[in-house]
Amino acid sequence: GQQLNQSPQSMFIQEGEDVSMNCTSSSIFNTWLWYKQDPGEGPVLLIALYKAGELTSNGRLTAQFGITRKDSFLNISASIPSDVGIYFCAGTPQGGSEKLVFGKGTKLTVNP
Amino acid sequence: NAGVMQNPRHLVRRRGQEARLRCSPMKGHSHVYWYRQLPEEGLKFMVYLQKENIIDESGMPKERFSAEFPKEGPSILRIQQVVRGDSAAYFCASSLTGTGGYTEAFFGQGTRLTVV
Repeated sequence: GQQLNQSPQSMFIQEGEDVSMNCTSSSIFNTWLWYKQDPGEGPVLLIALYKAGELTSNGRLTAQFGITRKDSFLNISASIPSDVGIYFCAGTPQGGSEKLVFGKGTKLTVNP
Repeated sequence: NAGVMQNPRHLVRRRGQEARLRCSPMKGHSHVYWYRQLPEEGLKFMVYLQKENIIDESGMPKERFSAEFPKEGPSILRIQQVVRGDSAAYFCASSLTGTGGYTEAFFGQGTRLTVV
């Protein structure tokens, strides 16, 4: 089945630093989404990408839908302590499937 | 995501009992999805339903698991004769239309099932 390879698995950074994480797949995806999950909570949508090459920002977050439709990245600028959490990429595979396929997540720790 | 309501938040069952997980989608949403999350893992798709119809159940185990989304009332994920391996967080999401199109799925806070 379709899989998303998300990296890095975890990151430890200082407050104020920029962060970059990415997802790749061997198959084409029609949409890419980035979610954040806090402990004990459900995923919260951060950014949705619908077109190849699309670059979208949401405050300090920027994400891009790769031209090949097989990858996406998420950047967080000037990190703050509340950015701590697990970030997941997700996408809908080509083929008309309605289900979201998730990466395994990037656990972000921000040291004040 | 506060609009998608799941209950209970925590559920403890003994091996062999039944677990019923409920999900009320956001107002106006007729598409519901169930996902399962094991510790330190991403979410795995289980089933996609529209009102009174199962559209895609390719992620559901063949035995003991069933899902419904009746015309009235919440969507129910039912696990019969639970085993320890069923312990996980179960998340429900809803969307206005199918997520294959230009729409977004919003998640509930999940039900954490523990089988003892």
